[in-house]
Amino acid sequence: GAVVSQHPSWVICKSGTSVKIECRSLDFQATTMFWYRQFPKQSLMLMATSNEGSKATYEQGVEKDKFLINHASLTLSTLTVTSAHPEDSSFYICSAMVTDEQYFGPGTRLTVT
Amino acid sequence: ILNVEQSPQSLHVQEGDSTNFTCSFPSSNFYALHWYRWETAKSPEALFVMTLNGDEKKKGRISATLNTKEGYSYLYIKGSQPEDSATYLCASDNSGTYKYIFGTGTRLKVLA
Repeated sequence: GAVVSQHPSWVICKSGTSVKIECRSLDFQATTMFWYRQFPKQSLMLMATSNEGSKATYEQGVEKDKFLINHASLTLSTLTVTSAHPEDSSFYICSAMVTDEQYFGPGTRLTVT
Repeated sequence: ILNVEQSPQSLHVQEGDSTNFTCSFPSSNFYALHWYRWETAKSPEALFVMTLNGDEKKKGRISATLNTKEGYSYLYIKGSQPEDSATYLCASDNSGTYKYIFGTGTRLKVLA
């Protein structure tokens, strides 16, 4: 139980384009999901908290207009990286919370050329 | 700024060896400490959630201890097996907001 999927697992896009990453809870419902980012040799860093039916809350230093989060249902949250630039190349991973525990997806490797 | 530190960064052990690694976290406003096991191309797998000072938890050959007063947790693996090879992450939840602060992980390689 408590399986979280992410799609795509990796994506390459051109600078200036937008990329959408999906995070799904497959066998449970989650009112709260989290988005993290990991740069090479660094730790997972929380970007934002996604709450179903309401606006996401972003951590300090994360541009909300660049990283659009939509949590339209209890099983799906999406992260859209708008007007991507090479410095947005990173590993993005989501988690879904149930009974005070976060369950993680396998992550998405984004490369912006 | 709250930091979580893990050591060592990586280690290699022989099959059958026992090993341990450390997670240091801010002791102020401590709420919970989480350990995850993360294999390449897979989702991080929750191992333990620890909340009380002096907690000791065990799952098979893996166990963990917690000292909230001094801000550290140890993860022990007894009789390491090649399938234990993974990155072990710890994450601190200070203040109960569920906003985890992760360490950079310890990469374990168990040699057959």
